Amino acid sequence: QKEVEQNSGPLSVPEGAIASLNCTYSDRGSQSFFWYRQYSGKSPELIMFIYSNGDKEDGRFTAQLNKASQYVSLLIRDSQPSDSATYLCAVNIGNQFYFGTGTSLTVIP
Amino acid sequence: GAVVSQHPSWVICKSGTSVKIECRSLDFQATTMFWYRQFPKQSLMLMATSNEGSKATYEQGVEKDKFLINHASLTLSTLTVTSAHPEDSSFYICSAREGGNEKLFFGSGTQLSVL
Repeated sequence: QKEVEQNSGPLSVPEGAIASLNCTYSDRGSQSFFWYRQYSGKSPELIMFIYSNGDKEDGRFTAQLNKASQYVSLLIRDSQPSDSATYLCAVNIGNQFYFGTGTSLTVIP
Repeated sequence: GAVVSQHPSWVICKSGTSVKIECRSLDFQATTMFWYRQFPKQSLMLMATSNEGSKATYEQGVEKDKFLINHASLTLSTLTVTSAHPEDSSFYICSAREGGNEKLFFGSGTQLSVL
C-alpha cells in the first residue's frame, strides 16, 4: 500500500506568517518528493521537489525531507493571500506518482 | 518547467455522445503520460498510465472500454470518454513526464459536463 497522508485542513495563517504543511508517506522505496499547488478549478502546478534528506530552499518556499521518519514538509515564509490554494504532496516510486489528498491553505489579509 | 498542453479546456456534451481530450507535451518527449479525474474538493484520482506505443494500464475500477486512451506518439496522448453520462462529468487532467526525468508536469485540465 503506497499511502501519502496529508492533513486536509483547512489551514489558516495571517498574511506575513509562516505556513507549515506536512506530509507522511508509507513506502520506504519512495525516491523523490514533490509539492504541487492547485488553485480552485485549475490543474496542479509544481512548486518544489526534493530528493535528498535535509532542506531545499527556493525563494519563499522551503521543502524539508526526512527519510528516516518518512515525512516531507513545505514551509512558506511571508505568506501572501495569493498563496491561498490546495497544496498536494506527491511521492515518486518507479514509474508511478502517488498523491496525498491535499491541504487547503488560506492566507488571511 | 516543461509545458503540457491540454484541449479542450471545457466541453459540454449530450448524454450518449463521445468526447475526446488531447494532451500534448510541447517541448519534451513524454514517454509516460497519466490521466486523472478530480471531483470538486477532492484529490486527484489516477485513471490510467500510458506509455508511448503500448496499451494503457488502467487503475482498478476504471472501465477501459469507456475511457479509451491512445498514446500514439511521444508528444500526444488522447482520452476518449465514450457514451458519456452525467456521472462522467468531472475535471480531467493529464500529466506527462520526460524519460529519465522524475518531474511530473500537468496539463491545464478539461472540465467535462454531460447533460
